[in-house]
Amino acid sequence: GAGVSQSPSNKVTEKGKDVELRCDPISGHTALYWYRQSLGQGLEFLIYFQGNSAPDKSGLPSDRFSAERTGGSVSTLTIQRTQQEDSAVYLCASSSLGQNYNEQFFGPGTRLTVL
Amino acid sequence: GENVEQHPSTLSVQEGDSAVIKCTYSDSASNYFPWYKQELGKRPQLIIDIRSNVGEKKDQRIAVTLNKTAKHFSLHITETQPEDSAVYFCAASYQNNDMRFGAGTRLTVKP
Repeated sequence: GAGVSQSPSNKVTEKGKDVELRCDPISGHTALYWYRQSLGQGLEFLIYFQGNSAPDKSGLPSDRFSAERTGGSVSTLTIQRTQQEDSAVYLCASSSLGQNYNEQFFGPGTRLTVL
Repeated sequence: GENVEQHPSTLSVQEGDSAVIKCTYSDSASNYFPWYKQELGKRPQLIIDIRSNVGEKKDQRIAVTLNKTAKHFSLHITETQPEDSAVYFCAASYQNNDMRFGAGTRLTVKP
């Protein structure tokens, strides 16, 4: 079946502009995660959605970052007034509810470049 | 919240040798410990996981061990091959709660 998809695959923007990154999780997966990965670095947790519960936003680096998940499926990560340090690959992952231990399936990522 | 530390950050071995990567976690409630492999330019993919009710799990050339008392777990790769070269991430979570990853280990297997 279809895996996690993300769009766009690449985004180049100018400093100060807003960007929106999209994640389509695997159908039926109720948990959705956003991570940021700078070049050669680890996976930085940003935000986590689980079903209808309030999201865990503890990883968002500043109030310029926000995310929402509509209808329990598609999620959008918005970065306002982008800065050069926001340049990174943004990865989305999803996992299923109904099991106690959940493998996360990652999307291909969106490479964001802020000029 | 959970904090996962991973060592070493880089590891270089000769083909055929073994590689060991170690992680520690802070939340004693964590009970699921997956390992992900990320090849250059690709997305992370699960290679093996262990749950807190077992101390060791093996799958061909890879094995994971878990010490709940000490709150650490390790990945062991035997008979390494060049295609094992990648970045490896450990992670810890409690059931359906959010998962936190270690900083990654870049493994290089020299032919």
